[in-house]
Amino acid sequence: DVKVTQSSRYLVKRTGEKVFLECVQDMDHENMFWYRQDPGLGLRLIYFSYDVKMKEKGDIPEGYSVSREKKERFSLILESASTNQTSMYLCASSLPDSSYEQYFGPGTRLTVT
Amino acid sequence: RKEVEQDPGPFNVPEGATVAFNCTYSNSASQSFFWYRQDCRKEPKLLMSVYSSGNEDGRFTAQLNRASQYISLLIRDSKLSDSATYLCVVDPSSNTGKLIFGQGTTLQVKP
Repeated sequence: DVKVTQSSRYLVKRTGEKVFLECVQDMDHENMFWYRQDPGLGLRLIYFSYDVKMKEKGDIPEGYSVSREKKERFSLILESASTNQTSMYLCASSLPDSSYEQYFGPGTRLTVT
Repeated sequence: RKEVEQDPGPFNVPEGATVAFNCTYSNSASQSFFWYRQDCRKEPKLLMSVYSSGNEDGRFTAQLNRASQYISLLIRDSKLSDSATYLCVVDPSSNTGKLIFGQGTTLQVKP
């Protein structure tokens, strides 16, 4: 069974703080993704990575950065958290030849006050 | 205009009913199409792929109409356990992983 884990289920941070969201997968997947999910907007892709040290911008990268130092771990960084980054953050991974089948983590509900 | 549009519902149906969801997409060059399912407070999971020839998996049938740019999901003999949000997903270019998700249609099956 593929397992994708995220460091926190719930997180509360203050405006201006630097925030790290960690994601780990145990299936040796090359592809990893970060999404945010908001009511009425669905899942939106923030960043993704095809391999270690590689990263690509998704549809809404502004205000975020990522790090992939090891194949199994993909971190999302909010450099200076703002209230409009309050959201559910979902990490996913997939194999390169079946990238449509993404395995998601349980999500981190981030609240920025 | 959103790239992938779904009626958010909720669709409230009795057990045993047949229910259909539609989804439209704006990019006519889109390559591949899928339905994901997301249970309440859980992560999304791939339900099935959608082909022009139709795709059936038990009580679930998915269909693609490229000319009209819409995708459908039909659920027959609804069960309580089918209650979830169904996400329409489009891959605009083959296998890049840059999937575009619709906002989801919520189904509530009642006894």
